[in-house]
Amino acid sequence: AAGVIQSPRHLIKEKRETATLKCYPIPRHDTVYWYQQGPGQDPQFLISFYEKMQSDKGSIPDRFSAQQFSDYHSELNMSSLELGDSALYFCASSSFTSGGKETQYFGPGTRLLVL
Amino acid sequence: GQNIDQPTEMTATEGAIVQINCTYQTSGFNGLFWYQQHAGEAPTFLSYNVLDGLEEKGRFSSFLSRSKGYSYLLLKELQMKDSASYLCAVRGSTGRRALTFGSGTRLQVQP
Repeated sequence: AAGVIQSPRHLIKEKRETATLKCYPIPRHDTVYWYQQGPGQDPQFLISFYEKMQSDKGSIPDRFSAQQFSDYHSELNMSSLELGDSALYFCASSSFTSGGKETQYFGPGTRLLVL
Repeated sequence: GQNIDQPTEMTATEGAIVQINCTYQTSGFNGLFWYQQHAGEAPTFLSYNVLDGLEEKGRFSSFLSRSKGYSYLLLKELQMKDSASYLCAVRGSTGRRALTFGSGTRLQVQP
């Protein structure tokens, strides 16, 4: 079965640079979530999109922005990178039409290292 | 706010049964999820509970008591590959579909 695809899998950036992370949800899934997981920490919700509109916002810094495109893929744009942004960034997708039993399926993640 | 507690680490023996507990205090409740995560990899969905009771799925079962804000994940016939972190996550309300995760329980299965 098709899974969530994320690219790139690994990214190294310098402080103050920008980065763009991409997420391709499972086909026919209409919702995308972005999570950040620091070393030894649990995933923290950043932002989500349903049907190409922002549906919820978590602890996403103002330096970050995201959007969902017409083909449902999503991009997380990160500017003015800081050392503390080094983390695993997961994208998860789900189908809201599945009703109350909506399950989020996670992609393999992008490991971002800021030097 | 949301508060989710799990034990930090557990150790069990191959072939045995282990129970990982999770307690939560959340503003609203619309489901509790268990995920397995190997180091550096994506969380993998294991189970979902929204009503009280036990959900069984092969070697894995999950229980929920909403009145007590309590859930557990039961792993039977432990295998070495079950060594991983187990994350309890709560969906807080019908208005918010994002998950709030506990800090995870690192399970070490020993021969």
